[in-house]
Amino acid sequence: EIVMTQSPATLSVSPGERATLSCRASQSVSSDLAWYQQKPGQAPRLLIYGASTRATGIPARFSGSGSGTEFTLTISRLQSEDFAVYYCQQYKNWPPWTFGQGTKLEIK
Amino acid sequence: QVQLMESGGGVVQPGRSLRLSCAASGFTFRNYAMHWVRQAPGKGLEWVAVISYDGRNEYYADSVKGRFTVSRDNSKNTLYLQMNSLRAEDAAVYYCAREGGERTFDIWGQGTMVTVSS
Repeated sequence: EIVMTQSPATLSVSPGERATLSCRASQSVSSDLAWYQQKPGQAPRLLIYGASTRATGIPARFSGSGSGTEFTLTISRLQSEDFAVYYCQQYKNWPPWTFGQGTKLEIK
Repeated sequence: QVQLMESGGGVVQPGRSLRLSCAASGFTFRNYAMHWVRQAPGKGLEWVAVISYDGRNEYYADSVKGRFTVSRDNSKNTLYLQMNSLRAEDAAVYYCAREGGERTFDIWGQGTMVTVSS
């Protein structure tokens, strides 16, 4: 099973600034990496797949990068609606599909 | 619009059973593999099970293997999760999710809460 590790657990950033979230896989997942956003009381929403491709309707301020074992989600010019929990997920080796433990992005 | 709606959650005693349903609308359900993902209170996401588009293949997380069964009725556009021998650690919000073209979960339901308590 591939273990996904996200850092930091909590990230405090001011609105209008940039946020950088990290995700590491215990073995290579190539580019089979997705990012999800989850707001309180809501279901997760797919943001990024293929490590860097934005899902339908996702604003351009969200960008993903990386391959192999190291990945980054960058949110430029944070808006109030971006403060949420973000999860990475690998879909290279399945089952199981595995998620990171999440990064909570909070307002500084 | 494209939508998934779970139902069937509730409070159940340890060792008992519960069946969740997920009704799909707005897309051709029979063309997509479908998943169950759960989230314990205050915790992260845990993949639970998947069923292929035609129902022929199923896979499960080790934590539920032998106790949970995923199934689907393509004529009713509905996904199911039969949960037997429930444990306290199975308490969670259960989401159904559609597997998109990239094997990611592109559509999610709103979730249904399962509480396991005596």
